[in-house]
Amino acid sequence: DVKVTQSSRYLVKRTGEKVFLECVQDMDHENMFWYRQDPGLGLRLIYFSYDVKMKEKGDIPEGYSVSREKKERFSLILESASTNQTSMYLCASPGPLGNEQFFGPGTRLTVL
Amino acid sequence: QQPVQSPQAVILREGEDAVINCSSSKALYSVHWYRQKHGEAPIFLMILLKGGEQKGHDKISASFNEKKQQSSLYLTASQLSYSGTYFCGTPPNTGNQFYFGTGTSLTVIP
Repeated sequence: DVKVTQSSRYLVKRTGEKVFLECVQDMDHENMFWYRQDPGLGLRLIYFSYDVKMKEKGDIPEGYSVSREKKERFSLILESASTNQTSMYLCASPGPLGNEQFFGPGTRLTVL
Repeated sequence: QQPVQSPQAVILREGEDAVINCSSSKALYSVHWYRQKHGEAPIFLMILLKGGEQKGHDKISASFNEKKQQSSLYLTASQLSYSGTYFCGTPPNTGNQFYFGTGTSLTVIP
């Protein structure tokens, strides 16, 4: 079975903290994605990576950075968390068909 | 470039039918459909690859009109388990970025 795991289901951080969200996929796929999901706005792409050490900005990269040191792992970094980054964060990687998005369980981040 | 879905929300009684539409301002080469239940991650339902193609998944089917840059999801004889938010997704013809629609909340009541 395809598996995408995320390091935390729930996370509470304070404004200004540095936050790391980790994602691991077992499909040996080159592509990995980070989305944030907010009510009424749907799923918006933050960053994606198409290979180790390669990354591209999505639609809302401001305030975020990413790291892909190993093929199976893609990290999302909030350099200095702010309250407007309170959201659900979803990691995804393509599944067996090659480009359908297979999602991890999500991390609900609250920034106080 | 985000596809637009309609309606935004719909409430059905068990056994009723529903149609969810997805429309894009740019050319579509394929369309994906996903369902997300409350508190869970979205799950892939189906992909439509060609203009005019129709596919089915249990009592959920979809059509894709490439010329009109639209896709529709049809839910027939709805069941309580169909409740959730449905998203269309449009992968690019080239490159890797993937765009999801605005989402349609579907609630099936007894």
